[in-house]
Amino acid sequence: GAGVSQSPSNKVTEKGKDVELRCDPISGHTALYWYRQSLGQGLEFLIYFQGNSAPDKSGLPSDRFSAERTGGSVSTLTIQRTQQEDSAVYLCASSTGGWEPQHFGDGTRLSIL
Amino acid sequence: GDSVTQMEGPVTLSEEAFLTINCTYTATGYPSLFWYVQYPGEGLQLLLKATKADDKGSNKGFEATYRKETTSFHLEKGSVQVSDSAVYFCASGAGSYQLTFGKGTKLSVIP
Repeated sequence: GAGVSQSPSNKVTEKGKDVELRCDPISGHTALYWYRQSLGQGLEFLIYFQGNSAPDKSGLPSDRFSAERTGGSVSTLTIQRTQQEDSAVYLCASSTGGWEPQHFGDGTRLSIL
Repeated sequence: GDSVTQMEGPVTLSEEAFLTINCTYTATGYPSLFWYVQYPGEGLQLLLKATKADDKGSNKGFEATYRKETTSFHLEKGSVQVSDSAVYFCASGAGSYQLTFGKGTKLSVIP
């Protein structure tokens, strides 16, 4: 069956531009997570959705970062006024909830010039 | 806050050698514990998990036991293969089901 799909797979943009990253979770998965993987910091939690609501946004590094999820399915992570330190691989995961396994997408590699 | 510390790599082993990758955690309460693996060119995938003290997770010949007294979840395999070459991440989970990851350990197995 289809796994978690993320797009684009690679994104190169100039400092100061806005970017949108998309995640299409596994059908029927109610929980959705965004993580960031960078060389210096390893894997960091960003935000968690249960359905369309985000009970935990504690990992978002600044107010330039926002995310939404619509229809209990697709989620978009938006980074405004990108900075070079935003360069990383952004990973999305989904699960059926609770401590059921989180299934990860292949990520979006974001490079800020 | 919660944190996970795992041994730094890279680790290079000969085929059929014994593998241990150490992992310790700090957390409030009793987290669930996981090992994830990332094979070259692939995404993260769950290798095994344990949800309470003294539980043993196992998969593909890998094992890890949840030790509350030492706050550890060390990954072991008795005989590694070239196909086990990957980056291994230890993770803990609590609260809102977010995962806290260690920095990863790169394993290379040579024939």
